Amino acid sequence: GQNIDQPTEMTATEGAIVQINCTYQTSGFNGLFWYQQHAGEAPTFLSYNVLDGLEEKGRFSSFLSRSKGYSYLLLKELQMKDSASYLCAVMDSNYQLIWGAGTKLIIKP
Amino acid sequence: GAGVSQSPRYKVAKRGQDVALRCDPISGHVSLFWYQQALGQGPEFLTYFQNEAQLDKSGLPSDRFFAERPEGSVSTLKIQRTQQEDSAVYLCASSSRGQINEQFFGPGTRLTVL
Repeated sequence: GQNIDQPTEMTATEGAIVQINCTYQTSGFNGLFWYQQHAGEAPTFLSYNVLDGLEEKGRFSSFLSRSKGYSYLLLKELQMKDSASYLCAVMDSNYQLIWGAGTKLIIKP
Repeated sequence: GAGVSQSPRYKVAKRGQDVALRCDPISGHVSLFWYQQALGQGPEFLTYFQNEAQLDKSGLPSDRFFAERPEGSVSTLKIQRTQQEDSAVYLCASSSRGQINEQFFGPGTRLTVL
């Protein structure tokens, strides 16, 4: 079967750095997406990785290792507004997005 | 508008009632997706359109669920004879070209079946 695993909840301090991990097992791979979802709102796109390595975009970076079926999202200089759920999603061989359950990130002052 | 819009934002239905959920994608976006999201879970794929063609409906949970996009723009997700297990947020997303593109999500319709 297809499976996306990510931690249910993480807590971090304002101004710090946090890394949210995602491991996946899917039938085929056409890229990995990270989305941010605030409570009661729609997911918003953060990043897309299809090749191994690190993609940096401002305070957010995303890493992919296809051989390990592993990705992480790195958030630097955390702000209170970063409190949200972070969803990892993999596009499989049928070009369907398979979603993880999301990691709820709690930022404390 | 600039983004994906969905209506209604909230819908309460009695068990057995039919409902219709509307999605207005970003103008010019070819691809349109419907997802179902239960509380505390990630979205689950329901169906995918490219223009007016429904290319994948493998995620529709039963034959009570039906989606259409007759003119390749607005889409409607219809659920017949709603059941309590249909209670969820229904998200619509669109993307500019094929499936390997950033998907822009609407705010969702929260359906509660009593």
